[in-house]
Amino acid sequence: AQTVTQSQPEMSVQEAETVTLSCTYDTSENNYYLFWYKQPPSRQMILVIRQEAYKQQNATENRFSVNFQKAAKSFSLKISDSQLGDTAMYFCAFMKRLNAGNNRKLIWGLGTSLAVNP
Amino acid sequence: DTEVTQTPKHLVMGMTNKKSLKCEQHMGHRAMYWYKQKAKKPPELMFVYSYEKLSINESVPSRFSPECPNSSLLNLHLHALQPEDSALYLCASSQEFRQGLQETQYFGPGTRLLVL
Repeated sequence: AQTVTQSQPEMSVQEAETVTLSCTYDTSENNYYLFWYKQPPSRQMILVIRQEAYKQQNATENRFSVNFQKAAKSFSLKISDSQLGDTAMYFCAFMKRLNAGNNRKLIWGLGTSLAVNP
Repeated sequence: DTEVTQTPKHLVMGMTNKKSLKCEQHMGHRAMYWYKQKAKKPPELMFVYSYEKLSINESVPSRFSPECPNSSLLNLHLHALQPEDSALYLCASSQEFRQGLQETQYFGPGTRLLVL
């Protein structure tokens, strides 16, 4: 089975501090794609960052960066200089191959609810 | 520009009604997706269209009927829904389907559906 685990259902952080959200996944594939999405209370699902498994360099997008450990199947998200607008549900997702064909779909973790406190 | 629009924002319908949800993107994407999301849960994939053809149907009940009139538009026709179908319905699009990172999905704001 291919699953995505987010072990922290809820987290909180003070404004301007750094927080790390964990994500582990299970797959037998060698090349795959990983994503972090955020969903603020307004409900729009927004892409935060993405990573290709064959690229060893960790992806970064401004204050957001990942720590991708392929051997450990870990894909954690670090948010630096947290802002109030970062308050949201954060979902880790893995692009899973469905069968012998090329169809793929996103497999989602259950999410981490992050609260940034003033 | 990664904008996907959805209408209506909110919809209330009875179990005997017929209604439709609409999704539109103008990014030249060739794949479009429907998801259902319950509160505090991740989205569940319902359908995938690639080049206007249905590629994936995740065993969705026939009371949900998708339609892709052209590469920019995706509809979800609703008929004889049940109260448990109340949820947020998200539309997404991606450049391509089955093409690695070109499958990165961009989501619309969703339609909040309540079935009475």
